Amino acid sequence: DVVMTQSPLSLPVTLGQPASISCRSSRSLVYSDGDTYLSWFHQRPGQPPRRLLYKVSNRDSGVPDRFTGSGAGTDFTLKISRVEAEDVGVYYCMQSTHWPSFGPGTKVDI
Amino acid sequence: QVQLVQSGSELKKPGASVTVSCKASGYTFTNFVMAWVRQAPGQGLEWMGWINTNTGNPMYAQAFTGRCVFSLDTSVNTAFLQITNLKPDDSAVYFCARGSAFDSWGQGTTVTVSS
Repeated sequence: DVVMTQSPLSLPVTLGQPASISCRSSRSLVYSDGDTYLSWFHQRPGQPPRRLLYKVSNRDSGVPDRFTGSGAGTDFTLKISRVEAEDVGVYYCMQSTHWPSFGPGTKVDI
Repeated sequence: QVQLVQSGSELKKPGASVTVSCKASGYTFTNFVMAWVRQAPGQGLEWMGWINTNTGNPMYAQAFTGRCVFSLDTSVNTAFLQITNLKPDDSAVYFCARGSAFDSWGQGTTVTVSS
């Protein structure tokens, strides 16, 4: 099984300031087709997760461009350029290169 | 637009069974697997497995083999999750999600197991 880790697990943020979350996998996430199947999700309390980014850096429809994904191999980063109030919640990375697995989540609050 | 609508909350006694449904609309149902994800109270997300909506073949994550069964009714674009012999530790929110990249999610179904 591929183990996903995230840091930090709790991230106090300031409105208008940048924020960054790290995600690491126990194995390379490069698939045989050359793509890397690493996604980021955001979940607010009482809501289902919403996918923000897929294949490391591709934003889903409607996702603001203040969200940026980067990384390769086993190390990945989600960056928020300027935090807005609606960005609070828990962020999960997930790999689906192998059987899917999620990171433990990073709680972001103001 | 893509929508996954799940059945309502359930309260069950230990030893009982529960079935959660997930009705899809806005896309061709058989073009994407349907995944199931569990979220225990205050915890993170766990992939339970998925079902190939074309063939009906299920794939279960190791932790969910034995008491979980995925099934389909393609005539009504609906996937089902059945959990048998429920235990209190099965109390959780269960989500369906589209495809292997989980691009759309159902609203979640809360299952509470309590005597």
